[in-house]
Amino acid sequence: SAVISQKPSRDICQRGTSLTIQCQVDSQVTMMFWYRQQPGQSLTLIATANQGSEATYESGFVIDKFPISRPNLTFSTLTVSNMSPEDSSIYLCSVSGTEGGYEQYFGPGTRLTVT
Amino acid sequence: GIQVEQSPPDLILQEGANSTLRCNFSDSVNNLQWFHQNPWGQLINLFYIPSGTKQNGRLSATTVATERYSLLYISSSQTTDSGVYFCAVVQRDSGGSNYKLTFGKGTLLTMNP
Repeated sequence: SAVISQKPSRDICQRGTSLTIQCQVDSQVTMMFWYRQQPGQSLTLIATANQGSEATYESGFVIDKFPISRPNLTFSTLTVSNMSPEDSSIYLCSVSGTEGGYEQYFGPGTRLTVT
Repeated sequence: GIQVEQSPPDLILQEGANSTLRCNFSDSVNNLQWFHQNPWGQLINLFYIPSGTKQNGRLSATTVATERYSLLYISSSQTTDSGVYFCAVVQRDSGGSNYKLTFGKGTLLTMNP
């Protein structure tokens, strides 16, 4: 398994601003993923971030709103841009490929409230 | 895309009771995971189970891939079992280089002491 940390753990932001969330893993991983969990809902994949290539976004998510960086095999960032109250969610990063398989492990999440 | 359906959506148990949670999926998958999201929001890996049966303490899981379902069994439930149980399935994309996890809506377990 992998140990995953996220910063910040929570934040309250004003509408129209942007927040960058960091995800750090304690070992090199092939695949990193970003998910959104809206209040009372399940998890929805935002994008897949592979090192050395552009992130792959799921339907309904665009790079201008959720730019992602993946500078190396242990780190990624997700920015939530031009926030509105509808962006209030938990944002989670996950990783897989630590043992060559599909199993995914999740970070503790970033709880974002937009006022 | 693939559909993942979980039942029941809500479950209330007395301590010591047993329960079975079900996950149905609409297409063949490369793998399947069960997670527990505790009341603090942390997602905990329970099982990584493409087929067959696995056991871990009071929990066990069975996946029948040919029939596209998986079951999670909780025995002798405790108050710490409260939270949401998610089933998620893995599929490769059409190009085969990427894969994704699609989650069901979860089962909310509430424990009565």
